[in-house]
Amino acid sequence: ETVMTQSPATLSVSPGERATLSCRASESVRNNLAWYQQKPGQAPRLLIYGASKRATDIPVRFSGSGSGTEFTLTISSLQSEDFAVYYCQQYNNWPPVITFGQGTRLDI
Amino acid sequence: EEQLLQSGGGLVQPGGSLRLSCAASGFPFSSYTLTWVRQAPGKGLEWVSSITGSGTNTYSTDSVKGRFTLSRDNANDIVYLHMNTLRVEDTAVYYCARPYYVGVDVFGLWGQGTVVTVSS
Repeated sequence: ETVMTQSPATLSVSPGERATLSCRASESVRNNLAWYQQKPGQAPRLLIYGASKRATDIPVRFSGSGSGTEFTLTISSLQSEDFAVYYCQQYNNWPPVITFGQGTRLDI
Repeated sequence: EEQLLQSGGGLVQPGGSLRLSCAASGFPFSSYTLTWVRQAPGKGLEWVSSITGSGTNTYSTDSVKGRFTLSRDNANDIVYLHMNTLRVEDTAVYYCARPYYVGVDVFGLWGQGTVVTVSS
């Protein structure tokens, strides 16, 4: 099983600042990496897939980068609505064995 | 509008059974693999099981193999998660999810979630 490790567990940032979240895979997942945002009481929301492609209606302040085992989600200028938990997910295996990171909480 | 509407769930004793349903609308249901993801209280996301569009193939995480099964009714656009021999550690919010586009295991459409509590 491919283990996904996110860091930091919690990130405290002020509105308007830049946030950088990391995700590391225990083995190469090529660019088969997605990022989700989850707010309390809500289902996750897809932000990024293919490591760097923004999903429909995702603001340009969200960007993803990386390949292989090291990935980054960057939020260029934090808005109040961006404070949430962020998860990475790899989808490199077939048959599917999908794994998520443990999450990074983005706090004000 | 594309939508996944979940039902089922509730409180069950250890060793008991439950069936979760996920009804789809607004998209060609049989074209998509459907997946269940769960989230234990205060914890992260965990992939549970997936079923291909035809229903021919299912895939599950090791901890639920032999206990959970998936089925789907493509005539009525519903997928089911049949959960047997439930354990306390199965307590979670269960989400059904659909790929962002056909053929990719990235989830762009989610149900609202349903709570399963396993407790005596």
